[in-house]
Amino acid sequence: GQNIDQPTEMTATEGAIVQINCTYQTSGFNGLFWYQQHAGEAPTFLSYNVLDGLEEKGRFSSFLSRSKGYSYLLLKELQMKDSASYLCAAFYNQGGKLIFGQGTELSVKP
Amino acid sequence: DGGITQSPKYLFRKEGQNVTLSCEQNLNHDAMYWYRQDPGQGLRLIYYSQIVNDFQKGDIAEGYSVSREKKESFPLTVTSAQKNPTAFYLCASRRQSGSNQPQHFGDGTRLSIL
Repeated sequence: GQNIDQPTEMTATEGAIVQINCTYQTSGFNGLFWYQQHAGEAPTFLSYNVLDGLEEKGRFSSFLSRSKGYSYLLLKELQMKDSASYLCAAFYNQGGKLIFGQGTELSVKP
Repeated sequence: DGGITQSPKYLFRKEGQNVTLSCEQNLNHDAMYWYRQDPGQGLRLIYYSQIVNDFQKGDIAEGYSVSREKKESFPLTVTSAQKNPTAFYLCASRRQSGSNQPQHFGDGTRLSIL
């Protein structure tokens, strides 16, 4: 299998920083995506990592370690609108499939 | 504007009935996907197609069928064999070349049993 694991839920305070972790199986791995999904809506693309290291995009950054099968999404200066589910998805060579984790429900509180 | 259109937004199925969910894209993407999402859960892959006239089963294909007669269209039929069809169904498409291409999603179809 190609299990993707991430925490089910997290809570953070407005203005703070939060890190959402994701682990995946490395065999056949070719890249990792992060998506944001608000309740009742479709997921929207946030970031993509294929090489080790940190990719920064404004308040959001994503990190990848291919050898460890590990990624995280870092959200800075949290805003109430960041309350959503964050989906980690790994792309595998075989069959060109994108496998999604269960999502991490982030609640941002005042 | 280019994008992915799913219809209908809401759909109700009677016992023993087959229903078809529409997915159309004008992004000229090669690959198309169908996912099912249950409350509080991630996305589970039902079927996907990397090229016209070809498709593969995902992790939960039983009770579903698809066709890919045109590049732009990838309809999903939920058959009567699918005993628990109530879920949020998402269609996605992706440019095939290069693994760094993200999937683009439609707005989803919410299916319920009458």
